[in-house]
Amino acid sequence: GAGVSQSPSNKVTEKGKDVELRCDPISGHTALYWYRQSLGQGLEFLIYFQGNSAPDKSGLPSDRFSAERTGGSVSTLTIQRTQQEDSAVYLCASSLEGDSNLGGYTFGSGTRLTVV
Amino acid sequence: SQQGEEDPQALSIQEGENATMNCSYKTSINNLQWYRQNSGRGLVHLILIRSNEREKHSGRLRVTLDTSKKSSSLLITASRAADTASYFCATRDTGFQKLVFGTGTRLLVSP
Repeated sequence: GAGVSQSPSNKVTEKGKDVELRCDPISGHTALYWYRQSLGQGLEFLIYFQGNSAPDKSGLPSDRFSAERTGGSVSTLTIQRTQQEDSAVYLCASSLEGDSNLGGYTFGSGTRLTVV
Repeated sequence: SQQGEEDPQALSIQEGENATMNCSYKTSINNLQWYRQNSGRGLVHLILIRSNEREKHSGRLRVTLDTSKKSSSLLITASRAADTASYFCATRDTGFQKLVFGTGTRLLVSP
């Protein structure tokens, strides 16, 4: 596609339920990143996928968070047993290659998650 | 963790004025990038400056990088109301793949 697509754009869930957030990166982009942004805050790194390499999961805040990237394309971020502090905008980005010094990331519009 | 800190946190100016935002970081970097965010959703990449570059221009944007001081500045000349947004710097550390974002500067340009 022309840009990074994220779905859903908004998600309201009850505390304790599981949620899945989807990211469809730009075709041909080998690197994919998940960040989250709490209200009025900066971006917090969650996880990074690069080609067939093992993902960098160093930013995942707890074992309730996991992510997959199937076939080097679409990625799903799963949050189990959601808590109110998980409420944030979850942003996905992709780039041509992880170590590129040529260009920046292309971000999706994000999923606004609200845990009630 | 966040490495970059933008200064000021908020900036309010009139149309036509110049806006300057500063970013400080802590480690050795491969490159530094500036992004813009409208309405708390997706970010848009503005400009990238490599660690061996000192200044870069793109339209009304001018970015400087001082690796000895671990700082960068973003200058927007002749600002417009449409420039109202949050601006973030992001650094790619040498040897690491991911970008680390700063805390952002909220810019308000009044007509």
